[in-house]
Amino acid sequence: GAGVSQSPSNKVTEKGKDVELRCDPISGHTALYWYRQSLGQGLEFLIYFQGNSAPDKSGLPSDRFSAERTGGSVSTLTIQRTQQEDSAVYLCASSFMGASNEKLFFGSGTQLSVL
Amino acid sequence: AQSVAQPEDQVNVAEGNPLTVKCTYSVSGNPYLFWYVQYPNRGLQFLLKYITGDNLVKGSYGFEAEFNKSQTSFHLKKPSALVSDSALYFCAVSLTGGGNKLTFGTGTQLKVEL
Repeated sequence: GAGVSQSPSNKVTEKGKDVELRCDPISGHTALYWYRQSLGQGLEFLIYFQGNSAPDKSGLPSDRFSAERTGGSVSTLTIQRTQQEDSAVYLCASSFMGASNEKLFFGSGTQLSVL
Repeated sequence: AQSVAQPEDQVNVAEGNPLTVKCTYSVSGNPYLFWYVQYPNRGLQFLLKYITGDNLVKGSYGFEAEFNKSQTSFHLKKPSALVSDSALYFCAVSLTGGGNKLTFGTGTQLKVEL
C-alpha cells in the first residue's frame, strides 16, 4: 500500500473487554512501532519490532498490553481487560531499516474509547 | 534517559509573520532531532531532521530548524506563516546507536490567523 494502514479507525468498548488493533506497515519496511497519544501527554512509546529481532517492549504500560508481528509485516496490539485510562489514540509507524536517524511513517491511528 | 521539552502548549501567529516553535532536549550522547506535524484527524508527518553537519536544517513546506548544541535546542522556524500551517507540532529525539525509539515532546498547537 501507499502508506501505513490502521484499523479500526475508531473503537468503542466497555471496561473489562479485550480489544485488538491492527497495523499494516509500508511494504518493505522492516521496523514497526506502536505509540500512544493521549491529550496533553504527547506520544508515548509502547513497543518496537525490528526484523526478526526480539521486540523492544520497554514502553508497554502493563501486562494487559501485548503485541505481535506476524511474518514480519502486519502487527496486532492487544489490550486485555481494558480500563478507562486506556482511552487514547494508538498510532502505528514503520521505517525502512529501523535506524535511529530514519524518519517514521505514521498511520492515521485508532481512537480507542473505553466506557 | 532522553527527554524533549516543548515549553509552549500553543503559539498564535498572524499570517505573513515569522513563527518559532520551541524545543529543547536532554540526552547523554549525540542526538538525532526531528520535527513532525499532525493535521486534524491525520497521522503525524515528518517535517525535517538534524543528523549531523550544518546546524540549519531545511524541511518541507518552507520550515527550517536550527540545532544549537550549547543551548540543547532545536527550534522550528518559518519566515512567513500561512493559515494552512495551523496544526500540532511535535519535536522528537533519538540517540545515535540507540535504535529508532523516538522520544517525543508534548506537542505545540500552532494557530495562524488572518
